[in-house]
Amino acid sequence: DAGITQSPRHKVTETGTPVTLRCHQTENHRYMYWYRQDPGHGLRLIHYSYGVKDTDKGEVSDGYSVSRSKTEDFLLTLESATSSQTSVYFCAISESMVLGLAGGKDTQYFGPGTRLTVL
Amino acid sequence: QKEVEQNSGPLSVPEGAIASLNCTYSDRGSQSFFWYRQYSGKSPELIMSIYSNGDKEDGRFTAQLNKASQYVSLLIRDSQPSDSATYLCAVNGASNSGYALNFGKGTSLLVTP
Repeated sequence: DAGITQSPRHKVTETGTPVTLRCHQTENHRYMYWYRQDPGHGLRLIHYSYGVKDTDKGEVSDGYSVSRSKTEDFLLTLESATSSQTSVYFCAISESMVLGLAGGKDTQYFGPGTRLTVL
Repeated sequence: QKEVEQNSGPLSVPEGAIASLNCTYSDRGSQSFFWYRQYSGKSPELIMSIYSNGDKEDGRFTAQLNKASQYVSLLIRDSQPSDSATYLCAVNGASNSGYALNFGKGTSLLVTP
C-alpha cells in the first residue's frame, strides 16, 4: 500500500458522536486525499490537501473536516456522525499534480481503508 | 459533473481468454487515465496508467486510449481466476476538484476455471 496506513481499520460508533480517522504516509508525498466508497456511487472525494495546513473541499465535504499539521498525517473528522456517513473511507497520496506526463507523478496510491459504521 | 462510465458487469470470461473492459469519459480536458483493480474488501490497486493515445502494454495487461472518442479500455490476456475483481477506471483533468481522480463505478470481472 505504498507506505500508507490508516487507523482505525474498523470502527462502530453511534449517531451524534465525533469520529477522527487518521492517514499516515512514509512517502513524503505532498498531496493527500480522502475518498469514501459506497455501493452504487463508487469512490467520491471528500477533502484533499496540497501541503501542510493547505486543504480544500471535494465533491462530498458536508459533515466532514480535515487537518494536516505534518506532511505525513492527514486527519478526517466527522464532527457529529450520522448514519449516512456509514461507508468505507480511503486515503490516497500522490507526488504531484502535474497531469498528463508519462512520469506518472500524478498517480494516486491508496491506503488500506477504514470501514466505519454509524448506528 | 464530469462523468466516467463503465458497464457494471459482471463480465464473465473463461480462464485463458481475453477480458476486455471499457470506459468512457465526458471531460475532454482529461489528461491522465488509470485502471485500478479492487478485490472485495480491499483497497484499489493501480494496474495501468496511460497518458497518450494508443496502446500501452505491461505483461498481460494492455491499456488503450482514444482521446478523440473519449474512450479508454483495458485488455487482460490469458485471464486467470486470480484476475477476478472489480476494475475501476479513473480519469484526471485540470477541471477536477483538486485534481482528484474521477472514478467510474467499476466493472466486476469473473474468470471461470
